Amino acid sequence: EAAVTQSPRNKVAVTGGKVTLSCNQTNNHNNMYWYRQDTGHGLRLIHYSYGAGSTEKGDIPDGYKASRPSQENFSLILELATPSQTSVYFCASGRTGGAGAETLYFGSGTRLTVL
Amino acid sequence: LAKTTQPPSMEAYEGQEVNVSCSHTNIATSEYIYWYRQVPHQGPQFIIQGYKDYVVNEVASLFISADRKLSTLSLPWVSLRDAAVYYCIVTDIGSWQLIFGSGTQLTVMP
Repeated sequence: EAAVTQSPRNKVAVTGGKVTLSCNQTNNHNNMYWYRQDTGHGLRLIHYSYGAGSTEKGDIPDGYKASRPSQENFSLILELATPSQTSVYFCASGRTGGAGAETLYFGSGTRLTVL
Repeated sequence: LAKTTQPPSMEAYEGQEVNVSCSHTNIATSEYIYWYRQVPHQGPQFIIQGYKDYVVNEVASLFISADRKLSTLSLPWVSLRDAAVYYCIVTDIGSWQLIFGSGTQLTVMP
């Protein structure tokens, strides 16, 4: 069973503070993703990576940075957190293979509250 | 990328078969159809994928119309654990991204 682990599960931060959300996958997948989920918006892609050392902007990258130091780890960084970044964040890993596009495996999410 | 349209909500009783429809009228020949579901406090979970005709696995079956503009996810014998938001996604072969819409909220009643 594919495994994606996110930490922390819950985080409370202050406006202007720095926040780092971590994600680890043991699937040996090349691709990793960060999404945020807000009521009424479904999941929206923030950043993604197709291998160690690479990061790409998704649909809503403003205010976020990403880091992929290794195959297993992918971090999302909020340098100056704002209340509008209060959300649930999901990390996913994916592989491309066989017929069709990727199958994604998601973590359980990090609930971030910025006060 | 093709846009999908799903009903916002559905209700069913335990033991019933549930069919969730998805319209993707602008689907391209290079695009596949994916279904995921999400229960509260968890990330989405892959259910099934298909390109045409009929696909079945141990969890669900997927029927795709001949013109590929409509797909139907079928869940046999739903239980309370099947209560979730079901997402239909259409994406290109080799795409880096899956774009999630608002999904269909399935409520299962005892």
